[in-house]
Amino acid sequence: DAGVIQSPRHEVTEMGQEVTLRCKPISGHDYLFWYRQTMMRGLELLIYFNNNVPIDDSGMPEDRFSAKMPNASFSTLKIQPSEPRDSAVYFCASSFDRTGSPLHFGNGTRLTVT
Amino acid sequence: GDSVTQMEGPVTLSEEAFLTINCTYTATGYPSLFWYVQYPGEGLQLLLKATKADDKGSNKGFEATYRKETTSFHLEKGSVQVSDSAVYFCALSRDTNAGKSTFGDGTTLTVKP
Repeated sequence: DAGVIQSPRHEVTEMGQEVTLRCKPISGHDYLFWYRQTMMRGLELLIYFNNNVPIDDSGMPEDRFSAKMPNASFSTLKIQPSEPRDSAVYFCASSFDRTGSPLHFGNGTRLTVT
Repeated sequence: GDSVTQMEGPVTLSEEAFLTINCTYTATGYPSLFWYVQYPGEGLQLLLKATKADDKGSNKGFEATYRKETTSFHLEKGSVQVSDSAVYFCALSRDTNAGKSTFGDGTTLTVKP
């Protein structure tokens, strides 16, 4: 089990550019979550999917953010256009759909928008 | 709605000291409770969990007991090490909440030699 894999680990981009973050969840997991972590706001849930279907995107900050899950083994989070306030660490996590199943987090993508 | 309140940090201890990080929750029904740990530069990872009242979760010398009467899940360790320095998150999930977890704000622990 390779765990949740995120890429890239670090991304530095200029304001206005498009950014795409990628995630490969653990095989067999039913849920996939995208979180954002900053010092000021802590850990925020952006969006989550169940069996590739978006369930709740109320945490997505604005229309500049979009997420897709075209199949059970891949998801993307896109920011277009990016802004300096989007600088944060973005985590992907996955879990089984069972009572007491914990989240398994990737190591995150550290995004810096200059 | 659901909420998790954990002890504010940062917490600084000397090696071999006793650790307690308090966590209380508000949720309907019977949530599952978790402690996650985050080391620098890494994602959160499960430390321990409990899925029903009076269950004790334990791992790596850490323990927490699910107390429904006080809606608490306090994290304890008898003798901390420098390597325990990290951020600790208390969290809950409910079956009826479609897989969504609720996290506390995190408590930063620093252990000094």
